[in-house]
Amino acid sequence: KAGVTQTPRYLIKTRGQQVTLSCSPISGHRSVSWYQQTPGQGLQFLFEYFSETQRNKGNFPGRFSGRQFSNSRSEMNVSTLELGDSALYLCASSSTGLLDSGANVLTFGAGSRLTVL
Amino acid sequence: GENVEQHPSTLSVQEGDSAVIKCTYSDSASNYFPWYKQELGKRPQLIIDIRSNVGEKKDQRIAVTLNKTAKHFSLHITETQPEDSAVYFCAAPKRGSNYKLTFGKGTLLTVNP
Repeated sequence: KAGVTQTPRYLIKTRGQQVTLSCSPISGHRSVSWYQQTPGQGLQFLFEYFSETQRNKGNFPGRFSGRQFSNSRSEMNVSTLELGDSALYLCASSSTGLLDSGANVLTFGAGSRLTVL
Repeated sequence: GENVEQHPSTLSVQEGDSAVIKCTYSDSASNYFPWYKQELGKRPQLIIDIRSNVGEKKDQRIAVTLNKTAKHFSLHITETQPEDSAVYFCAAPKRGSNYKLTFGKGTLLTVNP
C-alpha cells in the first residue's frame, strides 16, 4: 500500500512568488491535513480537508490556501512568499480525520521543503 | 485552543538506560494522545498512541501513560538503543475539532553508545 506522497520534495523560490504543493493521500483515505514545520515553531496546523471541504483551518494568513479534489488529492498554495515561509510542509492523511475514534491515525508524507530567498 | 507543553526539549542518555518524555495538555475534552518519532531528514512516524479509556499502553520497549486528572501523558522508552535517537513529538486534538492535532515542541533524544 503506497504511503502519502508529496511533490515536489524540494523547491527554492524568491520573495513575492507563489508556490503550489501537492499531496496524494494513502489510497482510501479521505482526510488530508497540512502542517508547517519550522525549527522555532515546531509543527503548526494549516488546514484539513475531507470530501473536498475544508473542515478546519489554523492561524495562518490568507496567503495560505488549499483545496482537495474528488480523488482526495490535495494541494496547498502560498502566494506572495515571504522569507518566513521557508519551512518543511508536511501533508498527512487519515481515513476519516476523526482522530479520536476507531483506528484513525495521521500518516505523514515526506514533506516539501520550501526555501524562500 | 489546545496547548501542549512538552519536556524536556533535549534528553541525552546512555545506551541501555530509560528515557521519559512528558507532555501536559490544557483541554480536558482531549481523548487521543499520539507520539511521533522523527529521525533527521525524515517524516514524523507514529510510534504509539493512547485513547482516554486506558491509562497505559505498551509496545515492546515503548510505553505511554495517561493521567487525565492531571492532564498529562508520558512516553517511556526502556533499554534505549542508538537508533532511538530522534526528535519525539507528543500531540493532542483540539477541543471541538478532532481533525486537528496540536503538537508539543518536540524532544531531541540522543542515545550515546
